[in-house]
Amino acid sequence: DIQMTQTPSTLSASVGDGVTITCRASQSINNWLAWYQQKPGRAPKLLIYKASTLETGVPSRFSGSGSGTEFTLTITSLQPEDFATYYCQHCGGNPYVFGQGTKLEIK
Amino acid sequence: QVQLVESGGGLVQPGRSLRLSCAASGFPFSSHAIHWVRQAPGKGLEWVATISYDGTNKFYGDSVKGRFTISRDTSKSTVDLQMNSLETEDTAVFYCARGSREFDHWGQGTLVTVSS
Repeated sequence: DIQMTQTPSTLSASVGDGVTITCRASQSINNWLAWYQQKPGRAPKLLIYKASTLETGVPSRFSGSGSGTEFTLTITSLQPEDFATYYCQHCGGNPYVFGQGTKLEIK
Repeated sequence: QVQLVESGGGLVQPGRSLRLSCAASGFPFSSHAIHWVRQAPGKGLEWVATISYDGTNKFYGDSVKGRFTISRDTSKSTVDLQMNSLETEDTAVFYCARGSREFDHWGQGTLVTVSS
């Protein structure tokens, strides 16, 4: 089965910084990769799909790249509302595996 | 607007059963796959089950295979998750989500607590 490995598990940054989160698949998943943001007590929110397509309404400071087995989520110029937990997900079909999550904390 | 509303959560003893329901509205129900995803307290997201847009294909995560059953009722625009032989490790918030590939809309979640 496909496994998704996210790094780092925790990331500390300041408002205005740029950060990158990496997600690796155990086998090629082409570009079937989605990124979600989750805040405490809330449902996840789709940010990016097909590895690099920004969901409608998501700010352009979020971007995704990669294909095959290695993917990245980049957030430029962090805003206070961006501090949350981020998950990658294989969305090409069964199994729809999530990465372990990356908690983005305020430094 | 697209809405997904979960119900049916609660406290249940180990070994017992519980049935969750996801009520969908605001979109053509028969055109979209529906998924269940859970999140144990303080943990990450875990995909649980998927039912295709027409109900013909069903998939399950390894940890629930053989215990959980997903179904959909087009007349009611609902997707149910029948959970049998519940274990303490099944304690989680259960979300339903819509999407043929990525999960583009999510419900608010319903908490299932398995405890004696």
